[in-house]
Amino acid sequence: DQQVKQNSPSLSVQEGRISILNCDYTNSMFDYFLWYKKYPAEGPTFLISISSIKDKNEDGRFTVFLNKSAKHLSLHIVPSQPGDSAVYFCAASESTSYGKLTFGQGTILTVHP
Amino acid sequence: AAGVIQSPRHLIKEKRETATLKCYPIPRHDTVYWYQQGPGQDPQFLISFYEKMQSDKGSIPDRFSAQQFSDYHSELNMSSLELGDSALYFCASSFGGGKLFFGSGTQLSVL
Repeated sequence: DQQVKQNSPSLSVQEGRISILNCDYTNSMFDYFLWYKKYPAEGPTFLISISSIKDKNEDGRFTVFLNKSAKHLSLHIVPSQPGDSAVYFCAASESTSYGKLTFGQGTILTVHP
Repeated sequence: AAGVIQSPRHLIKEKRETATLKCYPIPRHDTVYWYQQGPGQDPQFLISFYEKMQSDKGSIPDRFSAQQFSDYHSELNMSSLELGDSALYFCASSFGGGKLFFGSGTQLSVL
């Protein structure tokens, strides 16, 4: 039972354009959401997070949007850079267990120069 | 800045052998988490420790055990290894249940 789903295995974007990565979840108890970036042979690196009391959080080129009613969140990267090419994981947790993350399957983002 | 250190980076074992993975958290971090990522899969939460006590448990097999020591490092002990245990094992640490910082992982191959 995949409680966090990233339905797009891969995404290809031109440098300078917007990258939009999507994530859906099914567990209503999730109230904290995160995006991680992962390069080969490295551990996931935290990018940005959002609590369920908000619908948007912005950090530089990265913005996460949360639609609680649709159980959907998205990560926008503007402008995209070749160095952004990596696997992006969406993750969710409950406030009672912040570190117990449930990950999505990941989306491979490729940004072309 | 110091990061989460995992050792070894790679480990090859045979079926039914045992393995011990080590994790050294970022200094002053009090919580350690273990995750398992199988080939082509998303990371799965195994177990976590806060102040040397088990704080949460996920899909960790009974053949596995873990502990956190007085210096806050943690070890994941795996016995009676099976082919399906081949995976990348990540350790992460945090301070007070805050943001998780992941190590680079231990790649375990069971032959």
